[in-house]
Amino acid sequence: SELTQDPAASVALGQTVRLTCRGDSLKTDYASWYQQRPGQAPLLVFFGKNNRPSGIPDRISGSTSEDTAFLTITGAQAEDEADYYCNSRDVSGNQVVFGGGTKLTVL
Amino acid sequence: QVTLRESGPALVKPTQTLTLTCTFSGFSLSTRGMCVNWIRQPPGKALEWLARIDWEDDQYYNTSLQTRLTISKDTSKNQVVLTMTNMDPVDTATYYCARTPDYHANAPYFYMDVWGRGTTVTVSS
Repeated sequence: SELTQDPAASVALGQTVRLTCRGDSLKTDYASWYQQRPGQAPLLVFFGKNNRPSGIPDRISGSTSEDTAFLTITGAQAEDEADYYCNSRDVSGNQVVFGGGTKLTVL
Repeated sequence: QVTLRESGPALVKPTQTLTLTCTFSGFSLSTRGMCVNWIRQPPGKALEWLARIDWEDDQYYNTSLQTRLTISKDTSKNQVVLTMTNMDPVDTATYYCARTPDYHANAPYFYMDVWGRGTTVTVSS
């Protein structure tokens, strides 16, 4: 994968966690982020510079720095426990790539 | 309301060709900027993008699979079809279709805002 994510992360209930996604394509493209709960399809939770789809709580936010994108969950809730994938186009602009995903556990 | 639904065989044999259909509603694939993507996910593994077709009928493929993939659209039926030849057990996965509503080649972002529920395909003799 051309986007690298940590395989796992954990956060205590009500605390803040920041997930990372690294890749050369992120120097020019913003990442998009998807939440996937077990047995469900991925759900877009953040994209672009600062876009949160309707219905996504504002405790979920995104940011970027150089070749790294971040997804921050502030005040984590039990329902935030899921796999999170980042996504962007590759450096050519024609391919689409996903990170390997981060499994988030809420303790 | 935008919806997408995948359909196709649940079981295919090795070497066979898989044909999957994405039937959508709530948008038109003739609208400028609109695209439909196919993505798959093997059991317990990460998402993998397969292909994209856009409003101008341009097609883009995962370079590692492009010799096996064909994506097409029938705008009048609101359907996008993906075929994958020479199926192998490693192709066992859940296959999703998903919409990109405002693709621009020069825009610094790409996202898929609505996904189907997925269809599970097992490759086994």
